[in-house]
Amino acid sequence: ETGVTQSPTHLIKTRGQQVTLRCSSQSGHNTVSWYQQALGQGPQFIFQYYREEENGRGNFPPRFSGLQFPNYSSELNVNALELDDSALYLCASSLGIPIYEQYFGPGTRLTVT
Amino acid sequence: AQSVTQLGSHVSVSEGALVLLRCNYSSSVPPYLFWYVQYPNQGLQLLLKYTTGATLVKGINGFEAEFKKSETSFHLTKPSAHMSDAAEYFCAVTLNSGGYQKVTFGTGTKLQVIP
Repeated sequence: ETGVTQSPTHLIKTRGQQVTLRCSSQSGHNTVSWYQQALGQGPQFIFQYYREEENGRGNFPPRFSGLQFPNYSSELNVNALELDDSALYLCASSLGIPIYEQYFGPGTRLTVT
Repeated sequence: AQSVTQLGSHVSVSEGALVLLRCNYSSSVPPYLFWYVQYPNQGLQLLLKYTTGATLVKGINGFEAEFKKSETSFHLTKPSAHMSDAAEYFCAVTLNSGGYQKVTFGTGTKLQVIP
């Protein structure tokens, strides 16, 4: 059984640029959630996808967008990067909704300069 | 709106002592409650969860938590701390409403275990 994987591990971008982060869910899982974890903070819920449809969203602006593919892998896209977007981005997969258990990937560390 | 409060951003205990990490939540409907552990430079690992049923839930690594609706609390305990328990712990609430879900995490508690 393959766990949740994320790519890339680290990324450095410049303010104003766009970035795409990728997540492969655990085998058999059809729900993916994305979180932003700033340094010293708890994860903040960005959004969740269930069977390729957005199924919940936190308080993030529209420049944060996502996609889930038929194989249930997912992308997080952030446009017009700001310095405050620097954070660890975590992806979690689960089976169905409501979510009883989530399995987290190791995260992507994004630095915006 | 739901929220999660973790009292104490840092907690220190001696090896072998009781671990108590506090979590209070606010929610207009019965929530699902979770505790996660995060080791440095890693993702989060589920320790335990409460959805329905028995209010005392047992998790991995000897941790347990009790859901107290009257106190809106879900404190995490372990009878005897081990050095390997040193990590950051997060309490989380999942609220399901109209088929949509929103997950809220607390700000975390860093546990230090003193030999």
